[in-house]
Amino acid sequence: AVQLVESGGGLVQPKESLKISCAASGFTFSNAAMYWVRQAPGKGLEWVARIRTKPNNYATYYADSVKGRFTISRDDSKSMVYLQMDNLKTEDTAMYYCTAVGFAYWGQGTLVTVSS
Amino acid sequence: DIQMTQSPASLSASLGETISIECRASEDIYSNLAWYQQKSGKSPQLLIYAANRLQDGVPSRFSGSGSGTQYSLKISGMQPEDEGDYFCLQGSKFPYTFGAGTKLELK
Repeated sequence: AVQLVESGGGLVQPKESLKISCAASGFTFSNAAMYWVRQAPGKGLEWVARIRTKPNNYATYYADSVKGRFTISRDDSKSMVYLQMDNLKTEDTAMYYCTAVGFAYWGQGTLVTVSS
Repeated sequence: DIQMTQSPASLSASLGETISIECRASEDIYSNLAWYQQKSGKSPQLLIYAANRLQDGVPSRFSGSGSGTQYSLKISGMQPEDEGDYFCLQGSKFPYTFGAGTKLELK
């Protein structure tokens, strides 16, 4: 069965950095584009970042709201995808979900809270 | 970016009632539309993909339809376990975009 397990969330202050991770299993990770999607408390879903596969040069894409501050990366040898979040803002407070296989599968999420 | 307008924002249905939720895209998305259910405190679960294809394991009372810019999700016979939030997602053009969601409650 497909499993996506996020980790690394927590409470940080504005302008600080945080790196969250997602461990994937149950599918051929190296063949799958991976995504991060977030959901602010009581709000809807927002796509954050995308990373493609090796044949696609690991191309990355970002929502305008995080461009220049967030970096998505992957380690195919470990079936892991990461989101490095720098210069965090209070509006980045959200549950962050890892998703794969065309958004068919989602992890349980990891909560990132940005507050002074 | 493609805008997804979802309606209604909230809905209250009686047990056994048939309900519909709509999503309208700002341009043709060629049936590249998915529907998700999200229960409180849980991650979204895929119900429908490619506008009308039922995801494995999803009850047959859920169905999707539509084309072009107009899409709908129908629940034929509301059940207590159907309470939750429902979102549409367009996968036609990057960046993929979500509808704002519909909160469905049992009356």
